[in-house]
Amino acid sequence: DAGVIQSPRHEVTEMGQEVTLRCKPISGHDYLFWYRQTMMRGLELLIYFNNNVPIDDSGMPEDRFSAKMPNASFSTLKIQPSEPRDSAVYFCASSFRGTSGYEQYFGPGTRLTVT
Amino acid sequence: AQSVTQLGSHVSVSEGALVLLRCNYSSSVPPYLFWYVQYPNQGLQLLLKYTSAATLVKGINGFEAEFKKSETSFHLTKPSAHMSDAAEYFCAVSDVWNNDMRFGAGTRLTVKP
Repeated sequence: DAGVIQSPRHEVTEMGQEVTLRCKPISGHDYLFWYRQTMMRGLELLIYFNNNVPIDDSGMPEDRFSAKMPNASFSTLKIQPSEPRDSAVYFCASSFRGTSGYEQYFGPGTRLTVT
Repeated sequence: AQSVTQLGSHVSVSEGALVLLRCNYSSSVPPYLFWYVQYPNQGLQLLLKYTSAATLVKGINGFEAEFKKSETSFHLTKPSAHMSDAAEYFCAVSDVWNNDMRFGAGTRLTVKP
């Protein structure tokens, strides 16, 4: 399996622009998570889905952030409009409820820089 | 709600020395516990997990962790540090009923030659 795939790996954009981050989870996994990692705040859970349905979006910082999962193999995280404080590494992770717990598999991340 | 606390944001050891990274958890239900490692510019990778089977769990790269319910701890150890172990390590907890995993703040391990 190719693992969790994220694109792009790096994104540089100007303040005010729309940014879309993409994620393909591992086939067969029914949970998908979006995290943000910064030096100041560490690893933060933004939102997670179960069977394509958003379960908890309490970590989404504000209305500028939105996430969708139109099908089991694709999810997007959109920031509109972007701001410099959104600069971070964004990770997507997926998991499934196997017999040995909910271990999450992480993608390589998207490093976002907003200037 | 469950949570984990990692004691020490930065740990430095000499090559060949014992590695001990501390994690304490809080959970009102039986927990699942995990250790993840993050190398520079990479995502998190699972090192090992505890899911209510053996209390001493062995993972990849020679790491192991022991679940101690009486101490609510899940410390990560490795008998002999290698330069390649330098990375950030995250402890995480979820419970047996849902998939809401909570991560600690992370511990950065430095290995000196």
